[in-house]
Amino acid sequence: AQKITQTQPGMFVQEKEAVTLDCTYDTSDPSYGLFWYKQPSSGEMIFLIYQGSYDQQNATEGRYSLNFQKARKSANLVISASQLGDSAMYFCAMREGISGGGADGLTFGKGTHLIIQP
Amino acid sequence: GAVVSQHPSWVICKSGTSVKIECRSLDFQATTMFWYRQFPKQSLMLMATSNEGSKATYEQGVEKDKFLINHASLTLSTLTVTSAHPEDSSFYICSARSRLAGSYEQYFGPGTRLTVT
Repeated sequence: AQKITQTQPGMFVQEKEAVTLDCTYDTSDPSYGLFWYKQPSSGEMIFLIYQGSYDQQNATEGRYSLNFQKARKSANLVISASQLGDSAMYFCAMREGISGGGADGLTFGKGTHLIIQP
Repeated sequence: GAVVSQHPSWVICKSGTSVKIECRSLDFQATTMFWYRQFPKQSLMLMATSNEGSKATYEQGVEKDKFLINHASLTLSTLTVTSAHPEDSSFYICSARSRLAGSYEQYFGPGTRLTVT
């Protein structure tokens, strides 16, 4: 079973609109972290936002917010007031065993290709 | 912010040769470095976890004799693709985790695009 599921292979959005990118995850570990990365065509992975499984508040970073619904195992990324420069691949990722200082790498979803139209 | 570099950024090599890719944390010490592989239009797949001074831990299905990893210091890890073949052509990305207690973030390098002809 996939640990990270991103159901939107591609999205077209009008500039200045808000965007929600879906991500669901599967883990039995009570301690985990969820990440969102942006990957433009240059290939670099740009960290956007992080949510720990024990965090009480939804994470926010500027125009990015994470809609964390623990019971549903959902961690959707919301981008407010989208810009042309937001066009890129977006990956949701998870690391398990956070509190134990686990040295595990990230498990990534398949990504969503977001295109912002003028 | 934390910076991770990779060298080279791209490389073309002939089938059968070996290629070494370096991953460096420039302004922090990394207890753990990770190597990922990304095929075109696909996701990143973790290949191995590299801890300074110890042997790397490889993910299932990754040949450790083909992808040699050396983590010689707290700021440098290398990935050597031995006897490269065209199917090894891919985008290789490393990431580094700070040794600071409580740090959760992984900092990614810019990636190395390998083409084997």
